[in-house]
Amino acid sequence: AQSVAQPEDQVNVAEGNPLTVKCTYSVSGNPYLFWYVQYPNRGLQFLLKYITGDNLVKGSYGFEAEFNKSQTSFHLKKPSALVSDSALYFCAVRGQGTDKLIFGTGTRLQVFP
Amino acid sequence: DGGITQSPKYLFRKEGQNVTLSCEQNLNHDAMYWYRQDPGQGLRLIYYSQIVNDFQKGDIAEGYSVSREKKESFPLTVTSAQKNPTAFYLCASSIGRGDEQFFGPGTRLTVL
Repeated sequence: AQSVAQPEDQVNVAEGNPLTVKCTYSVSGNPYLFWYVQYPNRGLQFLLKYITGDNLVKGSYGFEAEFNKSQTSFHLKKPSALVSDSALYFCAVRGQGTDKLIFGTGTRLQVFP
Repeated sequence: DGGITQSPKYLFRKEGQNVTLSCEQNLNHDAMYWYRQDPGQGLRLIYYSQIVNDFQKGDIAEGYSVSREKKESFPLTVTSAQKNPTAFYLCASSIGRGDEQFFGPGTRLTVL
């Protein structure tokens, strides 16, 4: 069965510092991995995806994510956090041959000035 | 502008009433999805459709129904059989199966 875990309910970081939001997954076959961001009372916005190729994926708003097959992880990173990055972040995974995305429970990122 | 629209933004329903949430997209996407979001539980898939006139149950389909008569439209009906319908409902679409999904702004349903 497919599953995805976001082990931290909340991550706090000071503006200008690097940030990491963690995600681990379990799927059969090669994974398709996604990160989304949600601002209050809004829909989700697509940030980036990993399908195949380079393990470091660059996405919107300066975010990037690193795919690590041996650790089954896909952590979201940004070198320098902004207060405007404060939001709810979701990791999602789809296994080969399946149609459905499985979402994690979300991590709230709080960036302090 | 291309995108996904959901209406209404807020919806109030009395117990025992059916209610229909609208989802329209002009992205020419084949696949459409309905999710329910509750605090601390992430997104749970209600129904999805890969092509017109076809749809499949997701993980929590009981008490919900959908139709896909047009490529652009995928309305969701929350029936009186849904025991706890108060939630934030999100519609999404993708070019095809497995591609990244693009989300609408959501409808917040409250049962009074």
